[in-house]
Amino acid sequence: QQQVKQSPQSLIVQKGGIPIINCAYENTAFDYFPWYQQFPGKGPALLIAIRPDVSEKKEGRFTISFNKSAKQFSLHIMDSQPGDSATYFCAAHITSGTYKYIFGTGTRLKVLA
Amino acid sequence: SAVISQKPSRDICQRGTSLTIQCQVDSQVTMMFWYRQQPGQSLTLIATANQGSEATYESGFVIDKFPISRPNLTFSTLTVSNLSPEDSSIYLCSVVLANTDTQYFGPGTRLTVL
Repeated sequence: QQQVKQSPQSLIVQKGGIPIINCAYENTAFDYFPWYQQFPGKGPALLIAIRPDVSEKKEGRFTISFNKSAKQFSLHIMDSQPGDSATYFCAAHITSGTYKYIFGTGTRLKVLA
Repeated sequence: SAVISQKPSRDICQRGTSLTIQCQVDSQVTMMFWYRQQPGQSLTLIATANQGSEATYESGFVIDKFPISRPNLTFSTLTVSNLSPEDSSIYLCSVVLANTDTQYFGPGTRLTVL
């Protein structure tokens, strides 16, 4: 119930393409959904986040789409660039009975020049 | 945002020894966490570091192996004890800023156990 399922495991797109990474959850107590970008040898960096009362959020080239009824959310990267090649993690935050973040398994994105 | 530093950034240790990792943040934070990330894997929460009291450990992690201190709001240490090669991993400190749910990560400590 506290899992966050992330797909795909890896993704290759051409420069300018729009990679989409999907996450799904079961626990309706999750109340905040961040996405992190991680480059090799670095800690994860917060990219964008959304709360379940919002269906879409955009920040620059990054968009989160949120479907509360389906318990799914996704990250879209517009006009992807080779510099976006990294591993992306979705996460879900819970405060009910505890305070923690549950992470997805990660998606390794490669954007070809 | 928050600036988080971790020391050391990497270390190579012998089996049976211990390594203590320090985490320092420059902002007012509420929560501090310690994660482990094995190569090519996701992040696994080890424990929540509680100020002035014992840490709260996740299933599969125990205080004898991973003692944690948090003497004040902006500093915490994680010790990985009685090292074995299976402990080779990246250890990450994270914080949640006061009055937010925003979590930021430190740069990580890469531990190799021989």
